[in-house]
Amino acid sequence: ETGVTQSPTHLIKTRGQQVTLRCSSQSGHNTVSWYQQALGQGPQFIFQYYREEENGRGNFPPRFSGLQFPNYSSELNVNALELDDSALYLCASSRSTGNEKLFFGSGTQLSVL
Amino acid sequence: GESVGLHLPTLSVQEGDNSIINCAYSNSASDYFIWYKQESGKGPQFIIDIRSNMDKRQGQRVTVLLNKTVKHLSLQIAATQPGDSAVYFCAETPREYGNKLVFGAGTILRVKS
Repeated sequence: ETGVTQSPTHLIKTRGQQVTLRCSSQSGHNTVSWYQQALGQGPQFIFQYYREEENGRGNFPPRFSGLQFPNYSSELNVNALELDDSALYLCASSRSTGNEKLFFGSGTQLSVL
Repeated sequence: GESVGLHLPTLSVQEGDNSIINCAYSNSASDYFIWYKQESGKGPQFIIDIRSNMDKRQGQRVTVLLNKTVKHLSLQIAATQPGDSAVYFCAETPREYGNKLVFGAGTILRVKS
């Protein structure tokens, strides 16, 4: 176990709805990254949070947004859900933003109907 | 090899044999590489990493080889066990990306008893 916890584990939403996913980082880690993993593919970087600010973003539209809290936990928010948003959403924490190991949680499986 | 969507390459090995999983990375500026193992229903689990100033690194039963000339990474697993069955991903971090990982497509490893 990595110490990174995500909630909920599974979620079903309908197209157009909004969703919030949550992540608690491993103790001692101040950086949280979010990844989207579609079925049968590798994870794709969404964005990273460090010191409560976004520190880099992948090729995802603005309806994907996030927050980081003073205790380093984080939220991923997705507005106006689309069918293609159905995926496993992974949170990873690390000790810094440099070349450090990322430790992943087990993810939230989001299904958009 | 490369794959798209659901058609991940699959490596089938007999229990006790050695496994070699290959990965071609894309960015010559990448300076940090990681292998992850992902079991069904779980997030990626760190296996081993290597920096670009090395060409080989060994862990417990695993070895990573890096060939920067041809941008090739391999993971060798000695005495493969049924518990090694999973999807294996290589990931690179282009220098300008900090620790934002770019994942490969993945390889399914099946261990036959």
